[in-house]
Amino acid sequence: DAGVTQSPTHLIKTRGQHVTLRCSPISGHKSVSWYQQVLGQGPQFIFQYYEKEERGRGNFPDRFSARQFPNYSSELNVNALLLGDSALYLCASSLVVVVAGGGSDTEAFFGQGTRLTVV
Amino acid sequence: AQTVTQSQPEMSVQEAETVTLSCTYDTSESDYYLFWYKQPPSRQMILVIRQEAYKQQNATENRFSVNFQKAAKSFSLKISDSQLGDAAMYFCAYRRARGGSEKLVFGKGTKLTVNP
Repeated sequence: DAGVTQSPTHLIKTRGQHVTLRCSPISGHKSVSWYQQVLGQGPQFIFQYYEKEERGRGNFPDRFSARQFPNYSSELNVNALLLGDSALYLCASSLVVVVAGGGSDTEAFFGQGTRLTVV
Repeated sequence: AQTVTQSQPEMSVQEAETVTLSCTYDTSESDYYLFWYKQPPSRQMILVIRQEAYKQQNATENRFSVNFQKAAKSFSLKISDSQLGDAAMYFCAYRRARGGSEKLVFGKGTKLTVNP
């Protein structure tokens, strides 16, 4: 079975430009999350989408947006790129299982990321 | 807000020896999950082991085991019989069990070097 696939793998953009990153989840997974990993740091949560609705948003400016399509693939868009947006962008998909008590049990599977360089 | 702290930026171990990576976290929740992820140079985050907070028994996966101390909010990873392929960045992560979002909160990571 195919894992989480992200495209492109590498990207170079100029300050002020716009970028779109794409993610295809594992078949059957309806949840997609996006993370930003700056060099030397742990990943930071940007967005989570489940069944095409936004379930969570991290502390990122409005220049960052995302959406999820009917086939559960997802796009992350970043407008007006800054040098500080240079990072590895990771996508994770998960199969959400609701457990007793209203919680959820999931395991996140990550793609290999998109390395974005802003010059 | 939940936070995860990994106080060891780098660790090294001899092949076949045992190493322990430290992680502490802060939360006011009583129900949550803790994870250790491995990130090799290929960049893909790979789940190593997970622990449910409601379980008192420490999780074990082959050569990997954890020491979960809920009261102390400590979650260390022990790697036994270290292998060259274990060399990677290791991240400790936290997730709430309830609240709707699948958000993972990561520490800054520990770079593990395995010496032959």
